Amino acid sequence: GAVVSQHPSWVICKSGTSVKIECRSLDFQATTMFWYRQFPKQSLMLMATSNEGSKATYEQGVEKDKFLINHASLTLSTLTVTSAHPEDSSFYICSAREAGYGYTFGSGTRLTVV
Amino acid sequence: EDQVTQSPEALRLQEGESSSLNCSYTVSGLRGLFWYRQDPGKGPEFLFTLYSAGEEKEKERLKATLTKKESFLHITAPKPEDSATYLCAVQATGYQKVTFGTGTKLQVIP
Repeated sequence: GAVVSQHPSWVICKSGTSVKIECRSLDFQATTMFWYRQFPKQSLMLMATSNEGSKATYEQGVEKDKFLINHASLTLSTLTVTSAHPEDSSFYICSAREAGYGYTFGSGTRLTVV
Repeated sequence: EDQVTQSPEALRLQEGESSSLNCSYTVSGLRGLFWYRQDPGKGPEFLFTLYSAGEEKEKERLKATLTKKESFLHITAPKPEDSATYLCAVQATGYQKVTFGTGTKLQVIP
């Protein structure tokens, strides 16, 4: 089945700095990847849809200048949290879908901004 | 707007005590309904996709069913390792976006 690799699994950064999270599809090409955010005891909230070779599509209320998404190849999408603040602390998860399978998720990244 | 409501929020079962989790949904046109399992601090793990009312799928102790308004995840003779949060999600026809419910946290006690 499809495998999605996400790195890092956790990161702590200082307020005002930027953090990059990588999401890779292994053994399959993903023209579309999705980025979610999950708060404790809450559901996954879609932040944006990442399209290879074009601009990401952001959900309403998500700041595209704060959450930069780059999908430079068919197997790699990155999410950069710019000028991070404590309120950006959360669990970020990416997903992709290989034809014939359901949506596969990465293992998630726990971001803590101090 | 697509909506997914899962119940109960939490469920505590004795090992071997079978039960069902509910997922009620509202979607303009269903392309697919998904069930996932999520362990603490991990990404969701895919379990099933259901496409049309009447469809059923099974995997080990889990069985998912689908009607036009809801889906059930039946757990037969659960074991402690089945403890996790179970998420339900829907995708509407013509859209890539998947909408998730808030999940049911299952605890199976030995």
